[in-house]
This record gives sequence, structure tokens and C-alpha cells, in this order.
Amino acid sequence: GQSLEQPSEVTAVEGAIVQINCTYQTSGFYGLSWYQQHDGGAPTFLSYNGLDGLEETGRFSSFLSRSDSYGYLLLQELQMKDSASYFCAVKRQAGTALIFGKGTTLSVSS
Amino acid sequence: DTAVSQTPKYLVTQMGNDKSIKCEQNLGHDTMYWYKQDSKKFLKIMFSYNNKELIINETVPNRFSPKSPDKAHLNLHINSLELGDSAVYFCASSHVLAGGAPAKNIQYFGAGTRLSVL
Repeated sequence: GQSLEQPSEVTAVEGAIVQINCTYQTSGFYGLSWYQQHDGGAPTFLSYNGLDGLEETGRFSSFLSRSDSYGYLLLQELQMKDSASYFCAVKRQAGTALIFGKGTTLSVSS
Repeated sequence: DTAVSQTPKYLVTQMGNDKSIKCEQNLGHDTMYWYKQDSKKFLKIMFSYNNKELIINETVPNRFSPKSPDKAHLNLHINSLELGDSAVYFCASSHVLAGGAPAKNIQYFGAGTRLSVL
């Protein structure tokens, strides 16, 4: 089957750097995506890795190692507004829907 | 303009009732989805649909049925609602590149419908 594992909670202070890890088990790998969801809001796309290496988008970066079935999301210069749930996801084996990890709740304090 | 819109935002109903949730996207995407998010925030695919193919997650009860009048709409109809159906239901859409394997498969989500079954 397909599954993803990520920590359930992470806490950090403003200005810090935090890394959210994700390990996955899947066949027919089509890349690893990251989504952010604020409380009461909709998931929104953050980042995607189709190949090994680091992708940078502003304060957020995402990394993938296909040989290790592992990726991470790196958030730098944390701000209070970064407090949210972060989900890693892979494409479902059949069709184009996504299989999501259970989410990591990030709490940023001042 | 909202890219993916779904109505209603909140839905409170009694067990046994039948209800529908509507979804529309104005992104010109060819594939739409329904996801269910439970109280533990676990986000799970229910259906994906384009004008050629409906893919159903095998764990979804047949009380749930997607209905698509056209490419821009994918509604969700639920029969005989149960307490366990209480959740947030998200509609989403994406563009599938030729060959069925999108480079990024970015999914755009609606704001969600919070369903409470009493």
C-alpha cells in the first residue's frame, strides 16, 4: 500500500528554523508535495520535489531523497503566521489524487 | 474570483437524511476531487473524476456518490447520513497533463464544507 509518516507536532519560536520530516512508502513514485493548512482553512500547495535535491521558495525549502524514500520541509525565519498544519503527500497509485500524511502541527511562539 | 468554490460552508442535519454539497471550479481544470478530513485532520481522497474516468476510493461507502453535470462542477450526494459522516469535505481540482502524470499535480482546494450529523 501507500503510506506516509511525519511527526504529529513540532514547536518553535519566532525567527527559528524548523524541519518537518516525511518518509513514504509507495510504488510508482511521482514526487513529494507539501501542503499548508491553517485552522479552519483549506490546504494550500507549498512545494513539490519530483527529483532528488532541494527546492527553495522564499523562506520555505523542500528536500527529497528518492533512494531513502524521505523528504523534508524546511521553514526558516519562522513567523507566528506559520503556525499551521503541514502535510506531505504523494500521488495515489491509481488516478491523480493525493495520499496525504497525517499532518504535522507547527506551533510558533514569540 | 474564487478558484474552487463549494456550498454550503456549513451543513447541520439529522441522521438518515440525504444531502448534497456543490462544487465549482473556474480554473479550467479537467480533474476534480472530493476529500474528507476527519476530526484528527486526516485528509483522505474519496473520489477523483475527469470527463473520462471516475476513480473511487474503495473504502468509501456507496451512500456517497459524485455527480458531474459538466467539467467545471463535481457535486457530492450523500444518502442516509450517519453520525460518522461528520467531517469537513473538501473539493479540489487539478490539471492533468497529457499522459496522465502531471509534473506537479498541484491541487487547488475549496474552503470546505463542515458537515455535522446529529
